[in-house]
Amino acid sequence: GAVVSQHPSWVICKSGTSVKIECRSLDFQATTMFWYRQFPKQSLMLMATSNEGSKATYEQGVEKDKFLINHASLTLSTLTVTSAHPEDSSFYICSAREGGGGYTFGSGTRLTVV
Amino acid sequence: GQNIDQPTEMTATEGAIVQINCTYQTSGFNGLFWYQQHAGEAPTFLSYNVLDGLEEKGRFSSFLSRSKGYSYLLLKELQMKDSASYLCAVRVGDDKIIFGKGTRLHILP
Repeated sequence: GAVVSQHPSWVICKSGTSVKIECRSLDFQATTMFWYRQFPKQSLMLMATSNEGSKATYEQGVEKDKFLINHASLTLSTLTVTSAHPEDSSFYICSAREGGGGYTFGSGTRLTVV
Repeated sequence: GQNIDQPTEMTATEGAIVQINCTYQTSGFNGLFWYQQHAGEAPTFLSYNVLDGLEEKGRFSSFLSRSKGYSYLLLKELQMKDSASYLCAVRVGDDKIIFGKGTRLHILP
């Protein structure tokens, strides 16, 4: 079946630094990728939707200059958390979709900002 | 706006049956998903309903009523490994999935 590889699985960074999270579709072409954030005991909150080769569409309340999304190829999307602060500590999950197919989730990245 | 409601927590006994309800009010509807999520892990797909009715898949069944904006996930013969969060999610528009807050299910021996 479809597999999405997400790296790193966990990362600790200092406040003020930037962190990049990668999401790769291993055996299909992900025309659309979604990035979610999940705080403890909360559900997944959609941050943005990205289509290959075009700018991401951000959900209301998500700062596009802080959460940079790049979907440069059909198999890779990246989320960069810029100038991270402790309140950005969360579980970040990507999801990829091939055309009209199903949605496949990555394994998630736990970000801790100290 | 988008609103998806489901109970925050439920408790059931091993071997029993539990039904997790979900109601939704969304701008657009192109199907409803149920996912299972264990703590610290990504969600795993359980079911997808786009037409009214019941979809059965092993121990899990999912029901949808579009006119009522209502769905439920039915889990039979509960096992301890079923202890997890269950997420109701609605596909709106062509691509986007919006998640409910999830129901944490606790299974007692």
